[in-house]
Amino acid sequence: DTAVSQTPKYLVTQMGNDKSIKCEQNLGHDTMYWYKQDSKKFLKIMFSYNNKELIINETVPNRFSPKSPDKAHLNLHINSLELGDSAVYFCASSQGGTDSVTIYFGEGSWLTVV
Amino acid sequence: LAKTTQPISMDSYEGQEVNITCSHNNIATNDYITWYQQFPSQGPRFIIQGYKTKVTNEVASLFIPADRKSSTLSLPRVSLSDTAVYYCLVGEGWMDSSYKLIFGSGTRLLVRP
Repeated sequence: DTAVSQTPKYLVTQMGNDKSIKCEQNLGHDTMYWYKQDSKKFLKIMFSYNNKELIINETVPNRFSPKSPDKAHLNLHINSLELGDSAVYFCASSQGGTDSVTIYFGEGSWLTVV
Repeated sequence: LAKTTQPISMDSYEGQEVNITCSHNNIATNDYITWYQQFPSQGPRFIIQGYKTKVTNEVASLFIPADRKSSTLSLPRVSLSDTAVYYCLVGEGWMDSSYKLIFGSGTRLLVRP
């Protein structure tokens, strides 16, 4: 069973298109995230949702719009794709607590904009 | 923001013990230290987490000195399959729902035969 699953794994599209990446977690976690890993391999948080509410929005262009229909899903929609959007996008989830928090990542979605 | 600094890369040989040290001088009182492992074409995977002193699990050990300004991930007897990028992270905002982990550049470990 895949704890955090995201689709598609690979996506090649042209500039200007609109695309979505879907994410689902079956861990019962309250919090979900989107991270972006660029060509230099830096992993940066983009968004965080807790119980369907946006908690973190890290200076991401408004072309990126996350949608959380329920706490088990966090989809990422990207409008007017640009070359610089090419990256690997990781969905993740966690369950907060009074002590430490462990984040579980999906396998990534490789987005190539041509 | 608690920033982490770790070596960009390390080389080792199979069967050796590998120690990767990370500095986090601005760690906050409530922050935990977490290490993740990432293989090519995969998402980061949790390895170990600690607050102070020493933590050990079936994969690794984590040593944290009393001042908590650094930590050392110890991988006993590495194998070729341990070749990966290792990230040291310090958690922020864990007491509320704005918890997030800030990833640094990571340490690329290459294990040679």
